[in-house]
Parts: sequence; C-alpha cells; structure tokens
Amino acid sequence: KAGVTQTPRYLIKTRGQQVTLSCSPISGHRSVSWYQQTPGQGLQFLFEYFSETQRNKGNFPGRFSGRQFSNSRSEMNVSTLELGDSALYLCASRPTSPLREGYTFGSGTRLTVV
Amino acid sequence: AQTVTQSQPEMSVQEAETVTLSCTYDTSESDYYLFWYKQPPSRQMILVIRQEAYKQQNATENRFSVNFQKAAKSFSLKISDSQLGDAAMYFCAYRTAYSGAGSYQLTFGKGTKLSVIP
Repeated sequence: KAGVTQTPRYLIKTRGQQVTLSCSPISGHRSVSWYQQTPGQGLQFLFEYFSETQRNKGNFPGRFSGRQFSNSRSEMNVSTLELGDSALYLCASRPTSPLREGYTFGSGTRLTVV
Repeated sequence: AQTVTQSQPEMSVQEAETVTLSCTYDTSESDYYLFWYKQPPSRQMILVIRQEAYKQQNATENRFSVNFQKAAKSFSLKISDSQLGDAAMYFCAYRTAYSGAGSYQLTFGKGTKLSVIP
C-alpha cells in the first residue's frame, strides 16, 4: 500500500514568487491535512480538507491557500513568498474511520525562499 | 485551545537502556486522543503509539509504552532496550475526539531530540 506522497521534495524559490506543493494521500483516505514545520515555531497546522471541503484553517495569512480534488489529492499554494516561509511542509492523511486512527505523514517538501 | 508541552528539548540514552520522554497537555475536553510521533533525519513523521483518553489502560507497542495520567494531563513515552535506530525527534500530539466542524487537526509539542549512545 503506497504511503502519502509529496512532491517535490525540495524547492528553492525567490521572494515574491508563488509556489504550489502537491500531496497524494493513501488510497481511500479522504482527509488530508497540511502542517508547516520550522525550527522556531515547530509544527503548525495549516489546513484540513475532507471530500474537497476545507474543514479548518490555521492562523496563517491569506497568502497560504489550498484545495482538494475529487480524487483526494491536495495542493497548497503560497503566493508572494517571504523569507519566513522557508520551512518543511508536511502533508498527512487519515481514514474516515475509525476516528482513533492517527494521521500518516508524507516525507515533506523542503521549501527554501531566497 | 489545547496546548502540548515537552519540557525536554534533548535527551540521550545508552544503547539497550530505557529512557522516558515527558509530555504534558492542557485541555478542557474529556475525550481525546494522544499520540507520539517519531521524526528521523529522513523527515517522515512516523506514528509510534496512540492512546485514547477514555481508556485507563496504558498503550503498549513492542518496546514502546506510555504512562497516561489523565488527571495530571501527563503522557510520557518509555522506550525500553533502546536501539540506534530510535535516535530521532519525538513529538507528542493531541487531537480532539469530537469536532462539530469535522476538523481533527493535531496539536504538537516542540519535540524532544533523542540521541542513542552506542
């Protein structure tokens, strides 16, 4: 059974550019979440999607957006990149039930903004 | 809002010995889930163990076990017979059991870096 796949693994962008990260969840998982990981702030919740609907969004500016497609694949977009957006972006998926199941994470996309 | 605190930024253990990582959390909810995740240098977060708050029995997965003290809001991880492959960042995480909005995000602690000494 394939795990959570995130592409690309590494990305270097210039300030002011925009970027799109992709996440393919485990087959059958309809819930997808995104997290930003930085040395200073740790792991912070970005968004959660279920069946193409955003269920919740973390405390991030509007430059951060996301979406989920009918096949449960998800993308997140960051516009007008800032140096502080440099981070590891992790995607995770979870089965609808049972609720006690934990999220399975991908290996992340390392974004560097220069 | 829930918070998770890991008070030990770094810890070390001799190979084959036992180590305990601490985690405390704050919540007003009575039903929730607690998790320990491991993040090796490969970056992928790996689920180590899970505890349901309504269960009094402490969860165990092979060499990994937890000490769940609900009243004290404490959730420590014990690693027995430590192996070199256990070296990683360990994160404690909280998740609600009931969400009207259908959102089940994880709230993480800052992590504990575990080193295993040969």
